[in-house]
Amino acid sequence: GAGVSQTPSNKVTEKGKYVELRCDPISGHTALYWYRQSLGQGPEFLIYFQGTGAADDSGLPNDRFFAVRPEGSVSTLKIQRTERGDSAVYLCASSLGYRGGPDTQYFGPGTRLTVL
Amino acid sequence: AQSVTQPDIHITVSEGASLELRCNYSYGATPYLFWYVQSPGQGLQLLLKYFSGDTLVQGIKGFEAEFKRSQSSFNLRKPSVHWSDAAEYFCAVGGRAGNNRKLIWGLGTSLAVNP
Repeated sequence: GAGVSQTPSNKVTEKGKYVELRCDPISGHTALYWYRQSLGQGPEFLIYFQGTGAADDSGLPNDRFFAVRPEGSVSTLKIQRTERGDSAVYLCASSLGYRGGPDTQYFGPGTRLTVL
Repeated sequence: AQSVTQPDIHITVSEGASLELRCNYSYGATPYLFWYVQSPGQGLQLLLKYFSGDTLVQGIKGFEAEFKRSQSSFNLRKPSVHWSDAAEYFCAVGGRAGNNRKLIWGLGTSLAVNP
């Protein structure tokens, strides 16, 4: 079946601009995650949705970052007033979202964001 | 603090040789444990996971890992490496409680395979 998809695959923007990154999870997965991966690093957690609500947004670095999942499926990560330090690969993952049980996250190919 | 340590940043092995990639974690309780592989230009692919039960787990592509609670380790092994195994390998841990689902990752180990 179809895996997690992310669009665009690449995004180049200028410092100060606004960007939106989209994630389409695996059908039937209720949990959705955003991570950020900088060059030479492991992924860094940003936010996790269970259904439509953000269950844990402790990884969002500041208030320029915001994410939504209005219908419990597709999610959009929004970054305002981009800075060069925001350049990274943004990864989305989804999982079945069993409550309190083991769960496996499946990852999309990522969006490479470059802020000039 | 919760953390994952992969002590080896880069490893080179010859094709056909055995492989062990190390992973140590610091966590308040026994977490769920994962190994993912990332090839150039590819997304993260799950190799194997440990949730409970048998501490030796088998994964895809001939990989296995052993959970050792006393050492807080989850090392990845393969008896005979293939050239196609060259990639970046990440160890990750996740919580067991309710909404504690975020994964905490190591920095990764880059594997090169000599012909």
